[in-house]
Amino acid sequence: GAVVSQHPSRVICKSGTSVKIECRSLDFQATTMFWYRQFPKQSLMLMATSNEGSKATYEQGVEKDKFLINHASLTLSTLTVTSAHPEDSSFYICSASPGQAGIETQYFGPGTRLLVL
Amino acid sequence: KNQVEQSPQSLIILEGKNCTLQCNYTVSPFSNLRWYKQDTGRGPVSLTIMTFSENTKSNGRYTATLDADTKQSSLHITASQLSDSASYICVVSARSGGYQKVTFGTGTKLQVIP
Repeated sequence: GAVVSQHPSRVICKSGTSVKIECRSLDFQATTMFWYRQFPKQSLMLMATSNEGSKATYEQGVEKDKFLINHASLTLSTLTVTSAHPEDSSFYICSASPGQAGIETQYFGPGTRLLVL
Repeated sequence: KNQVEQSPQSLIILEGKNCTLQCNYTVSPFSNLRWYKQDTGRGPVSLTIMTFSENTKSNGRYTATLDADTKQSSLHITASQLSDSASYICVVSARSGGYQKVTFGTGTKLQVIP
């Protein structure tokens, strides 16, 4: 149980285009979902926290207009990287929690590797 | 400032040997501590979760310890296997009101060689 999927697993796009990444909880309702970014040889960095039906809470330094997060249902959250640039190339990982604000264990997706040319 | 430091940064051991990874934290007020295993290019997978009152918790060949007084945790891997090669991340949560703030360690990269 507690499986979280991400799609796509890898994406290559041209600079200036937008990319949408989906995160789904397959066998539980995710009250809270998190989006992380991980650069090579570094730990995960939290970008934003989203609760179903409400606006996401972004971490300091993360541009909310560039990284659009939609948590429209209890099983789906999307992250859209708008006007992507090469420096946005990274490994994006989502996690989902059945509890409020991640009080319960977070279950991580497999990640999406984004390469912006 | 909440911080989680892990040591060593990287470690190479022979298959079948044991090893211990360390995690020191300054997160407050402490809520829980989790150890995750992250294979290269994959998302983290939870190994153990420990609360304030727990000193030791095992999950197969993985045994985590917690000393809440010294704010230290360790992850002991017994009889290592090649598949244990991964990054191990210590994550500490602080509770503030009804919410949790998680702080990730930078991880220990373990390589098990034949």
